[in-house]
Parts: sequence; C-alpha cells; structure tokens
Amino acid sequence: ELKVEQNPLFLSMQEGKNYTIYCNYSTTSDRLYWYRQDPGKSLESLFVLLSNGAVKQEGRLMASLDTKARLSTLHITAAVHDLSATYFCAVSFPQGGGADGLTFGKGTHLIIQP
Amino acid sequence: DAGVTQSPTHLIKTRGQQVTLRCSPKSGHDTVSWYQQALGQGPQFIFQYYEEEERQRGNFPDRFSGHQFPNYSSELNVNALLLGDSALYLCASSFADSYEQYFGPGTRLTVT
Repeated sequence: ELKVEQNPLFLSMQEGKNYTIYCNYSTTSDRLYWYRQDPGKSLESLFVLLSNGAVKQEGRLMASLDTKARLSTLHITAAVHDLSATYFCAVSFPQGGGADGLTFGKGTHLIIQP
Repeated sequence: DAGVTQSPTHLIKTRGQQVTLRCSPKSGHDTVSWYQQALGQGPQFIFQYYEEEERQRGNFPDRFSGHQFPNYSSELNVNALLLGDSALYLCASSFADSYEQYFGPGTRLTVT
C-alpha cells in the first residue's frame, strides 16, 4: 500500500523567512504532485515532478524530487502572507501512461504571520 | 474555456439515502477521477473513469459507484449513506495521455 507522509503538518512562520515542507512516500513512483488548497476551496496545481532530480520553481516556491530517497521538498523563500494555505503532495502509480489515481499526504497547514 | 464543473455545490442528505453527484470535465479531457476529502484530511482516491469504464479504483466500498457518459461527463453515486460519508467530493479531469489533473470546485455533502 502506497503511503505518503508530509511534515510538518502545521507550520506557523513569519513573513520574510524561509522554510521547507517534506514529503516522503513508501513505494517507487516517478510522478510527484504538489497542490495548494485555500480554505473552503478546491485544489490548485502547483508542480508536477516527473523524474529524479527534477526541480521546478514558481515565484517564491521551489519543488524538488529525489526518487531514490522517495523524497520531495517544497521550499518557500521569503514567505509572504498570500502563501498561507494548506499544501498537499501526492503520488501516483503510472499504469502505462496518462494520469492515474493519486495518493495524497495529510497536508501541511501553513500560516504566515506579518 | 470552462474548467471542471461540479453540481450541486452543497447537499444535505439523511442516513440511508442515496445521492448522485455530477462532474463535467475540462474541454478536451476524456478521463474523470473522483476523490473524497474529509475535513482536515487529504483527498482520497475513489475511482477513475475512461472510455465509459472504471479504469482504477481506490479502497472504497461498493456503495460508491460511478458512470461516465459519451460526452465524458461523470456521475458519482453513493448508496446507503453513512454519517462518515460527509465530505467534500472532488472531481478531477485529465487527458488520457497527460499526467496533469485539474480539480473542480467540489460538492460539499453533509449526511445527518
């Protein structure tokens, strides 16, 4: 059974600081997704990482993937209040191409305070 | 270009009743996946439909069933509702040869 663990589950940080969210998964997979969810809203896709060593950046967020360690990180640089949200990582088992059912972590609830 | 749409947005049902939720995929997408998200938890994969057939299924009982229509829209049916079925139900659409999944706004189901 595929398991996805995120830590921390809750993070309160100050604006301007840097921090990293970690995502570990239990079984080999080469597709790792990061999503953002605002309260009462749906999921917004942030990154899809498809290969070992993949790194993607968008604004103050940067995601990386190490498939050998079964670890992905989401790094936040110089945090701003607008980044307050819950962040999920998810992993899929490709079955011959295309999008597959995703297994999600429990999410990291991030609060950024002035 | 309309994104993924779901209906209704909110629904209140009583234990033992049956419910049907609907999803229209993003234009050009042919695959629909359904997820259940309990409060404070990550989404859990229910099943995926492609070419009008269930292609993958997560660890959900047979009370959860679905359907995909020729226009790629999809329904999620839940029979014999339990209090524990109260959740946000999310639909995600994708194109069969693509790994990207786009989520709809969800249907909030409350079972009393």
